[in-house]
Amino acid sequence: GENVEQHPSTLSVQEGDSAVIKCTYSDSASNYFPWYKQELGKRPQLIIDIRSNVGEKKDQRIAVTLNKTAKHFSLHITETQPEDSAVYFCAASISNFGNEKLTFGTGTRLTIIP
Amino acid sequence: EAQVTQNPRYLITVTGKKLTVTCSQNMNHEYMSWYRQDPGLGLRQIYYSMNVEVTDKGDVPEGYKVSRKEKRNFPLILESPSPNQTSLYFCASSQGNEKLFFGSGTQLSVL
Repeated sequence: GENVEQHPSTLSVQEGDSAVIKCTYSDSASNYFPWYKQELGKRPQLIIDIRSNVGEKKDQRIAVTLNKTAKHFSLHITETQPEDSAVYFCAASISNFGNEKLTFGTGTRLTIIP
Repeated sequence: EAQVTQNPRYLITVTGKKLTVTCSQNMNHEYMSWYRQDPGLGLRQIYYSMNVEVTDKGDVPEGYKVSRKEKRNFPLILESPSPNQTSLYFCASSQGNEKLFFGSGTQLSVL
């Protein structure tokens, strides 16, 4: 089955700086890559996703890049703010349906230092 | 309000005592799934359902059962809970290959 590795497990960034979280996946058939943000004590929420026919996607301060050849994808957060502090999960799906067998990474705890 | 409702929010039980965690969504979503979240292990899929009467195993199905008799409900059943099933459980739903809507979670402790 699919295996998703996520790094780093913890990340501290000065407010205003950029943060980058990286994930690799094992199955070249994976074609859907969402990122979820989980604030302390809350449920995970989708913040951005990318499909295998696209190399990059942006949404305001958040961007995701995908390198299919290397089988890795990354989350980039620019101009970080205190409210960006949370645990971030990457995921990969090997189904055209999108969520059928969604495999998550182990998470990155991002702390924004004021 | 569109939502996924899980109950109970917290549950403490003893080994071997059957329990059910309920999950209901009001968005007419076809896809529903269950995950467990453990420190350092992220979210691991237990079971998923593509539609009514269609369920399939995720990555960690051992010790769990599910059923999908109605589109809106997807209960998680632990027939004989064990301490290694102590975890935070999330139900989720989606329509097609769109974003997952998660429930608020159920913190289960098995003594």
